[in-house]
Amino acid sequence: EVQLVQSGAEVKKPGESLRISCKSSGYDFTSRWISWVRQMPGKGLEWMGRIDPSDSYANYSPSFRGHVTISNDKSITTAYLQWSSLRPSDTAIYYCTTETPVTPFDYWGQGTQVTVSS
Amino acid sequence: EIVLTQSPATLSLSPGERATISCRASQTVYNYLAWFQQKPGQAPRLLIFDASKRATGIPARFSGSGSGTDFTLTIGGLEPEDFAVYYCLQRSTRPPITFGGGTKVEMK
Repeated sequence: EVQLVQSGAEVKKPGESLRISCKSSGYDFTSRWISWVRQMPGKGLEWMGRIDPSDSYANYSPSFRGHVTISNDKSITTAYLQWSSLRPSDTAIYYCTTETPVTPFDYWGQGTQVTVSS
Repeated sequence: EIVLTQSPATLSLSPGERATISCRASQTVYNYLAWFQQKPGQAPRLLIFDASKRATGIPARFSGSGSGTDFTLTIGGLEPEDFAVYYCLQRSTRPPITFGGGTKVEMK
């Protein structure tokens, strides 16, 4: 059974750094891309970027490029989303989700709430 | 970037009624269009991919149609558990992937 388990909620101050994680199990980790999706309070879904775990190549939405970094560690089948300097506008729920060339976003993590406030 | 415009923003219906949600793309996405359902406090769930293929375990009352720039999600006879927010998504030839703004299906 495919499972994506995300790290817990975070409360941070503006300017701080953060890395959240998405632990995968139940499938060949290198066979599915992993994307990150943002959902700001009361708003819709936004695709941030994806990584191909087979070669760790990531591409980003223009809206997020330069502000976040997506990475992965094959040895522990985990993907990451990180910020070097958080802003209050980064307050949101962040989901990881998997896709293949055939099926988009068929498995999802439970979401990680990130709150950035002084 | 391809923009997806969903309509209506809100749909007020009663159980048993048919729901029809539209998603229009700013340029062709061929058939690389998917639909998701999201309930409060939950992650989205894939319903339809490649415009008309139901994902595993999705009831037959959910159907998708369209190609190119105009797509429709139809729920043929709303069940109480179908009241939720629905999003379309495109992932045509290259990133960025984009979502529509969402349609809330609420109980009348």
